Amino acid sequence: DGGITQSPKYLFRKEGQNVTLSCEQNLNHDAMYWYRQDPGQGLRLIYYSQIVNDFQKGDIAEGYSVSREKKESFPLTVTSAQKNPTAFYLCASRFSYNEQFFGPGTRLTVL
Amino acid sequence: AQKITQTQPGMFVQEKEAVTLDCTYDTSDPSYGLFWYKQPSSGEMIFLIYQGSYDQQNATEGRYSLNFQKARKSANLVISASQLGDSAMYFCAMRETGNQFYFGTGTSLTVIP
Repeated sequence: DGGITQSPKYLFRKEGQNVTLSCEQNLNHDAMYWYRQDPGQGLRLIYYSQIVNDFQKGDIAEGYSVSREKKESFPLTVTSAQKNPTAFYLCASRFSYNEQFFGPGTRLTVL
Repeated sequence: AQKITQTQPGMFVQEKEAVTLDCTYDTSDPSYGLFWYKQPSSGEMIFLIYQGSYDQQNATEGRYSLNFQKARKSANLVISASQLGDSAMYFCAMRETGNQFYFGTGTSLTVIP
């Protein structure tokens, strides 16, 4: 089955730790995205990548980093520089000018 | 300025009735796409319907239709014959030329039996 997987579903982080959220897709999509969603809010773009080894900052990239070494994978690292990382993180991918397909999301909580 | 505006934080509709969720957008790009997504309590975003800026006809997908009024820059979602399973958050989104998408703050829809 084609789709987007995100892991883990729930993630707990201590203050000062870096954590990496996984996003994998087998849809052969070129573009991939990371969004952050806070309670009662819409989605805000963190980073996006149109092709392998290339990515652009979104509106709230500070405190986050990404890599795109393979077409299928777009991991997001939440660094200790991100002061308020508790949120729901959604990964998406897209082919050409069509709609985005989303993964199931990862809920990150800072303890 | 907000690219996408959804002015209805919450809406209620009786089961089997139709409901309209409002969305206005702001762009100077002549080529853009408009999307609606549903987000149930599980959190996953589900694509519902798409309208391209050059499309002459309003998009329809089953019980979903998009009321596209280009001059007014509005792209309202109409859900006909509401079902209990339609209770969810609904987000309007826009893509301009390029790859970035812009999302509204969403409307929470509750279907009443």
